[in-house]
Amino acid sequence: QKEVEQDPGPLSVPEGAIVSLNCTYSNSAFQYFMWYRQYSRKGPELLMYTYSSGNKEDGRFTAQVDKSSKYISLFIRDSQPSDSATYLCAMSASGGGADGLTFGKGTHLIIQP
Amino acid sequence: KAGVTQTPRYLIKTRGQQVTLSCSPISGHRSVSWYQQTPGQGLQFLFEYFSETQRNKGNFPGRFSGRQFSNSRSEMNVSTLELGDSALYLCASSQGRQWDAGGYTFGSGTRLTVV
Repeated sequence: QKEVEQDPGPLSVPEGAIVSLNCTYSNSAFQYFMWYRQYSRKGPELLMYTYSSGNKEDGRFTAQVDKSSKYISLFIRDSQPSDSATYLCAMSASGGGADGLTFGKGTHLIIQP
Repeated sequence: KAGVTQTPRYLIKTRGQQVTLSCSPISGHRSVSWYQQTPGQGLQFLFEYFSETQRNKGNFPGRFSGRQFSNSRSEMNVSTLELGDSALYLCASSQGRQWDAGGYTFGSGTRLTVV
């Protein structure tokens, strides 16, 4: 079992829909949770950063962390064609770069105009 | 403000050769990390440097090495290239030892193809 599991998709939804992306993990030491967006031929771009359990909202994006279930989610409201990309969840036990991030393999999201 | 710059963007090497990739972090960032991204394994942590010291290394063979200079620029080297080393190599930087407001800022990567 991999440390972080993420459905690779592709996930195809119509423009304007609410998108739900999820990851499960097995390492209970993870405390820092992130979502990155990666466009083709580009590096990942940080979307959301949360510590421990709870919700965080930023514009059309909401990140949820449930440490008791080892489950994190990213919701995208009013999805746009420009949101079409690969979404990567990432997590770490420490709050710094030394331990590295453990990534899911990414979900390929397609927003249909 | 310039982002993380990686050079070259694309590289083709022959099996058995060695390669050096370069990364210039965001100005003021002292931590530089390297990741390998492949379709099969996804993003995997290679190593991290802070103030010229390697603080951690991922589960990669000794053929993969790196260093960081006093101006925080970093290089990674892969010796005796294998076909399986073909990947997108990503560099990421952050300001200090700990993340203050978020994780890394990634560069666009170097696409290495080994033939």
